[in-house]
Amino acid sequence: GNSVTQMEGPVTLSEEAFLTINCTYTATGYPSLFWYVQYPGEGLQLLLKATKADDKGSNKGFEATYRKETTSFHLEKGSVQVSDSAVYFCALRTRGSSNTGKLIFGQGTTLQVKP
Amino acid sequence: DTGVSQDPRHKITKRGQNVTFRCDPISEHNRLYWYRQTLGQGPEFLTYFQNEAQLEKSRLLSDRFSAERPKGSFSTLEIQRTEQGDSAMYLCASSTTSGSGADTQYFGPGTRLTVL
Repeated sequence: GNSVTQMEGPVTLSEEAFLTINCTYTATGYPSLFWYVQYPGEGLQLLLKATKADDKGSNKGFEATYRKETTSFHLEKGSVQVSDSAVYFCALRTRGSSNTGKLIFGQGTTLQVKP
Repeated sequence: DTGVSQDPRHKITKRGQNVTFRCDPISEHNRLYWYRQTLGQGPEFLTYFQNEAQLEKSRLLSDRFSAERPKGSFSTLEIQRTEQGDSAMYLCASSTTSGSGADTQYFGPGTRLTVL
């Protein structure tokens, strides 16, 4: 079946450190891939997405590249800030004529950035 | 565009009671989804509507759960005879199938249910 696996958290970094959160997936066909972020006390927000192999999604300094050969969509940021502290979710959406568009999420990775 | 709204934000109930949650999607979004999120986990799909038609239900959606979207706008999720295992955050999301941003799901703030 379709699934998403994220690296275990929490991830604790100092401000301005480099961030990588690993995400790998299992899916039939060629899914679309997403990163969502959940700030404390808030709802899920779309951070970035990629819809086909080798696409790079980017937003707010975050980037992720759709790697079909390694079935991965790792999230990176060159210099994190305290305000980036949140829970990050990797998700996929499969395609097909009967596709409902439902998202399949990983378990989430908590990022804590210390000043 | 006021975003997806959900009501109530918090609900505390006793085991065995019925509860109903409401979701108002972004206007003109024809797709609406319900997810459930338990502590430390990612959201899990519950059910999906395209306009007023409920087109998919997860195995997670037991017979005690029912969802409606009567006019293709707002949706309700009802849980009958609540159990402690129903305690979770219930999330609603909506999307459109046309235009820029098509098929991107926008989430509401969620309804946190606590069953005592």
